[in-house]
Amino acid sequence: GAVVSQHPSWVICKSGTSVKIECRSLDFQATTMFWYRQFPKQSLMLMATSNEGSKATYEQGVEKDKFLINHASLTLSTLTVTSAHPEDSSFYICSARGRTPYSSTDTQYFGPGTRLTVL
Amino acid sequence: QKEVEQNSGPLSVPEGAIASLNCTYSDRGSQSFFWYRQYSGKSPELIMSIYSNGDKEDGRFTAQLNKASQYVSLLIRDSQPSDSATYLCAVIYFGNEKLTFGTGTRLTIIP
Repeated sequence: GAVVSQHPSWVICKSGTSVKIECRSLDFQATTMFWYRQFPKQSLMLMATSNEGSKATYEQGVEKDKFLINHASLTLSTLTVTSAHPEDSSFYICSARGRTPYSSTDTQYFGPGTRLTVL
Repeated sequence: QKEVEQNSGPLSVPEGAIASLNCTYSDRGSQSFFWYRQYSGKSPELIMSIYSNGDKEDGRFTAQLNKASQYVSLLIRDSQPSDSATYLCAVIYFGNEKLTFGTGTRLTIIP
């Protein structure tokens, strides 16, 4: 299947600092990228949706000034967690949707996730 | 509110048997259906997609879609211990680009 990469795979930071997570679609152009968060033993929670060159659309309850999303190109999106606090510790997963060499229709693939721990 | 429902399990199946996972959805406007597998501590991995009524087979996996009854299922033949994971059903509704996920079914294959 199509490949979506995420970097870093894990990060530990101090409270009050900012962390940037990169998401790339490696073998297809992603018309839309999504950012999810997942706490242990819970379902995926969609945080925001972004299209290349446009502002992200945030889900209800997600602070756009805290979780900055930039979708700079059809293959790259970044999520910056600003002024991180321990309650932001979670598993952050990006997902990219587009037409891949493996499907005749747009399909959504997930990156491997970034585990964020805020001390 | 559009919903996707799955039995949370856990579902235990002996190795070599058929595992059957079911999912129902609330909106008849649903157009695309997906099964993802998620191992503990990992991100979801796409297993199957299905768009029209009937069966779609890929190796040991068969997805079944019945739009009249609003359900989609996933059959795993010759279950292996490596199939032990949480299986997420996801739906895209017409006019909405976002996946709506079920809560997932935890499957355990017993050697």
